[in-house]
Amino acid sequence: DGGITQSPKYLFRKEGQNVTLSCEQNLNHDAMYWYRQDPGQGLRLIYYSQIVNDFQKGDIAEGYSVSREKKESFPLTVTSAQKNPTAFYLCASTTPNPGQTGSGANVLTFGAGSRLTVL
Amino acid sequence: AQSVTQPDIHITVSEGASLELRCNYSYGATPYLFWYVQSPGQGLQLLLKYFSGDTLVQGIKGFEAEFKRSQSSFNLRKPSVHWSDAAEYFCAVGARGATNKLIFGTGTLLAVQP
Repeated sequence: DGGITQSPKYLFRKEGQNVTLSCEQNLNHDAMYWYRQDPGQGLRLIYYSQIVNDFQKGDIAEGYSVSREKKESFPLTVTSAQKNPTAFYLCASTTPNPGQTGSGANVLTFGAGSRLTVL
Repeated sequence: AQSVTQPDIHITVSEGASLELRCNYSYGATPYLFWYVQSPGQGLQLLLKYFSGDTLVQGIKGFEAEFKRSQSSFNLRKPSVHWSDAAEYFCAVGARGATNKLIFGTGTLLAVQP
């Protein structure tokens, strides 16, 4: 079955270390997204990519970096510059043709998430 | 700018009772509207969506939502709640455009009493 795989599910990091969260999808989706979830704050967009080799900052990109070298992969690196990295991170993707106003637009499929804890 | 407000942080209902979760949005035109559900430690699952047409939309698990343009609302309802409905529910708004970015509300945590 098609879906989004995030790994690892749990990750512990010491302060000052960079960590990379993996996100792989086999849905043939063009667009991929990283959201951060904190209790009581909902989901906030970190980065998104609508096509291979291109990505844009979301609302809270500081301290994070991404790459999009392959259509199916969109890894997120949490750098040591991120002041409060402990959170639940969710990767999502969506169907092609993002400019459509039809039924396929904007429906995000989510992975199961990765929980990062800084010790 | 787009925004979504879910005024109820936490709601408790009895099993078999009806449910309504509130969602208000701010957007200059007719947006795309969504409800997602999240079980603890899991990703989000789409319950239903509104793009255009009939303002009452049906979703999975017996949920429905009604888009009311005059009130900028998209409230989620279920006539009879089951214990398995206990989860966190998120309303989201998307712009009609090229980016497919969604703006999420802060969520409503639903507890179901036996």
